[in-house]
Amino acid sequence: KAGVTQTPRYLIKTRGQQVTLSCSPISGHRSVSWYQQTPGQGLQFLFEYFSETQRNKGNFPGRFSGRQFSNSRSEMNVSTLELGDSALYLCASSLRTTNTEAFFGQGTRLTVV
Amino acid sequence: LAKTTQPISMDSYEGQEVNITCSHNNIATNDYITWYQQFPSQGPRFIIQGYKTKVTNEVASLFIPADRKSSTLSLPRVSLSDTAVYYCLVGDVWDTGFQKLVFGTGTRLLVSP
Repeated sequence: KAGVTQTPRYLIKTRGQQVTLSCSPISGHRSVSWYQQTPGQGLQFLFEYFSETQRNKGNFPGRFSGRQFSNSRSEMNVSTLELGDSALYLCASSLRTTNTEAFFGQGTRLTVV
Repeated sequence: LAKTTQPISMDSYEGQEVNITCSHNNIATNDYITWYQQFPSQGPRFIIQGYKTKVTNEVASLFIPADRKSSTLSLPRVSLSDTAVYYCLVGDVWDTGFQKLVFGTGTRLLVSP
């Protein structure tokens, strides 16, 4: 069965622009979480969506937002990009039952110039 | 979610057994211990999960002593392809009704010929 698919794989944007990243979870998985990974801060939780509702949000500014569609696909949006937003953005999907594993996509490498 | 402490890096040679220990003194009764592996520019991949004693799967073993304040990931006969960062996570990820994986700094394992 297909894994988690993230698009695009690479992206270069200019400061002040906005960007939308996409994540297609494994079929049947209704939970989608987003993480940001940078060399300085490591892997940090952004937010989780389940049944089209945001269930929790990490400590990121309001410029970071997301949504989930009825088919469980999710998008993440970052507005007014800053240089510090350059990172690998990872999406994970899971069945959302007790202690099930999360399956990660390969990520989107965002570079802000 | 309990805080974890792991060695920053470890070196090994092909064919050797590697043991990575994770300290989690504040582990709670409901917490599970989970290990993920991450290769550069890829999303983390679930390796193994356990609650107590010993768990073994096709790629690794997880040893958890009776007090559960630490755990050891054991990789038998490592190969060059096992060079990666290994993360130890502790928590009942659903304890607040949502999934939030808290990644520490991880252990960077380098396997040499």
